[in-house]
Amino acid sequence: SQQGEEDPQALSIQEGENATMNCSYKTSINNLQWYRQNSGRGLVHLILIRSNEREKHSGRLRVTLDTSKKSSSLLITASRAADTASYFCATDLYSGGSNYKLTFGKGTLLTVNP
Amino acid sequence: EAQVTQNPRYLITVTGKKLTVTCSQNMNHEYMSWYRQDPGLGLRQIYYSMNVEVTDKGDVPEGYKVSRKEKRNFPLILESPSPNQTSLYFCASSFRVPTSGRAKNTGELFFGEGSRLTVL
Repeated sequence: SQQGEEDPQALSIQEGENATMNCSYKTSINNLQWYRQNSGRGLVHLILIRSNEREKHSGRLRVTLDTSKKSSSLLITASRAADTASYFCATDLYSGGSNYKLTFGKGTLLTVNP
Repeated sequence: EAQVTQNPRYLITVTGKKLTVTCSQNMNHEYMSWYRQDPGLGLRQIYYSMNVEVTDKGDVPEGYKVSRKEKRNFPLILESPSPNQTSLYFCASSFRVPTSGRAKNTGELFFGEGSRLTVL
């Protein structure tokens, strides 16, 4: 079952603008991760934020997590054409033993126009 | 170079002809997983493995088998492929499953480049 849901499904912006993508999830989590996928390629990890963190930065990326609202956002500042890709959030839940689930949302397709 | 290697990258087969998609990682990761990606459905987990000889079903395990006899390999087996298994498949691995809050190791997944399977 899908845990995370990204919003919007697609986003088109101009180079230099900021891009914000949101992720909502349903159950309590241990961590939330964001991944990027260039068309047809494997996913690449961008950033992980733990359930006890509220904000995290990595270069031009800023991720926030609001566990009370069960939501996260990914902000890409000063976007570039090379940022064009699909972005996925993934939520994980480890409840001991072999019970570990990492589920992905359906992704946001970001297009950055030169 | 640290990587997850899948083979084959592309395969066209016919209904009922058993096939295996291999996955190998060279990072000594304990955790490995298979996903399928379909338009409009995102990535869905098929099976995962926490360590050697420990495997568990994901969200869509029907029609698939896996094995984890060695730490580095996690093959995906389609005993009798059907057209609804036409998809893009990804293998992924992770150093360690993080526990809540204080774990220093990340659960960052490293993905292979994908295997595009068509079942006629």
